Formats: sequence, structure tokens, C-alpha cells
Amino acid sequence: QVQLQESGPGLVKPSETLSLTCTVSGGSISSYYWSWIRQPAGKGLEWIGRINTSGGTNYSPSLRSRVTMSVDTSKNQFSLKLSSVTAADTAVYYCASHGGTPWYGMDVWGQGTTVTVSS
Amino acid sequence: DIQMTQSPSSVSASVGDRVTITCRASQGISTWLAWYQQKPGKAPKRLIYAISSLQSGVPSRFSGSGSGTDFTLTISSLQPEDSATYYCQQANSFPYTFGQGTKLEIK
Repeated sequence: QVQLQESGPGLVKPSETLSLTCTVSGGSISSYYWSWIRQPAGKGLEWIGRINTSGGTNYSPSLRSRVTMSVDTSKNQFSLKLSSVTAADTAVYYCASHGGTPWYGMDVWGQGTTVTVSS
Repeated sequence: DIQMTQSPSSVSASVGDRVTITCRASQGISTWLAWYQQKPGKAPKRLIYAISSLQSGVPSRFSGSGSGTDFTLTISSLQPEDSATYYCQQANSFPYTFGQGTKLEIK
């Protein structure tokens, strides 16, 4: 069973870039689809974007101008960068797997990592 | 964007009760609907995919149904461990969108 673990700074200053990595264990990252989702405290889930292991991406229009996702198959990792952050980007960030069938939703999730945007 | 609207926003029920949560999409989403359960401080867990397919390991008291724009998650006999927030999500088109969540409490 694939397991996911998010990593990255828990505190980011306003206007800087948030960078997170998701490490995949228990399986190969290849041939699958991967998403990032975030959840502000006490609020609902927001999908940020999806990447496949060929590097193809789809981003939420509301974040597209600030989001970059990438994949490193040699390290079994994929990453999220969100630029020009503000307090509104403070949230728990989850990485998740779609397996080979992205239209079935996300079947495996990381535990989540809390990112706070503050000076 | 496709809007997903869940009702009710919260529900309180007793152990053994049958509970139904509905999810309405602002346009047709074919069969690409999933349901998740999230407990406090934990990541969401997929319960149902493709409207009615049960995720491996999920108790059979959970079931999904619907078509087109209207979908339902049903818990046939509520258990104490079912206390959680439930979300629907469409994967028919980008951006993927979630419902606002339904908080289920046990009386």
C-alpha cells in the first residue's frame, strides 16, 4: 500500500514562496496521478492541482498564476510551490494519490502538514 | 467551475439510525463522484468512488447512489465511530471541487 508524507517549512513569510514535497513510499510514483489539496482551519477542502508522472499538470484557476507542481521520479517525490503567499494561504496542505484512475478521486492521502503564513 | 452543494450542513443522529447525506452538482458529472470521511485532526479517507463503488476496507453500512447531478451517501446503521465530517467531490472536470461538508454527530 502506497504511503505519502508531506514535508516542508511550517512557517512562511508573506510575499515569499511556499514549497512542499510529498514523498511516496511503498510503491512507485510512475504511471500515477497526484494532487495537492489544502484546508484552512475549521473550513472545507480546496483542490490545488494535479500532476502526472509525465509532468502534465492541471491547476485550480483561482491559484494558477501562483502554483507550480513538479515531479522527481528518481526520488519518488512530487512538489508544490505557491508564490506570493498571504495569510489566506495558511492551511493544512495534503498530498494525495489518484492511483491510475484520476476520475475516481483520491484514494491515499498524506497526513497533512500545517503551513502558517506570518511575518 | 462545478459547484457541489451538500445538505444538511450538520446532522445529529442516534446509534443504529439510518443517515442520508445529499450532494447536488451544478451540472452533470457523469459517474465521477467520490465521498470522503474526515475525523478531527486527520486526513480525509475515501469511502466511495464512481458514485457507488465501496472503497476496500470500508464497512458495508456505507453506500452511495445517484445519477446526473443528485447523489446520496447513506449510512444504514449508524455506529459511534461514524462521527465525522463527510465531503463529496466531483472528478468530472477541472477544477476538482468538493462540497462544503456535512458534520455528523452522534446523539
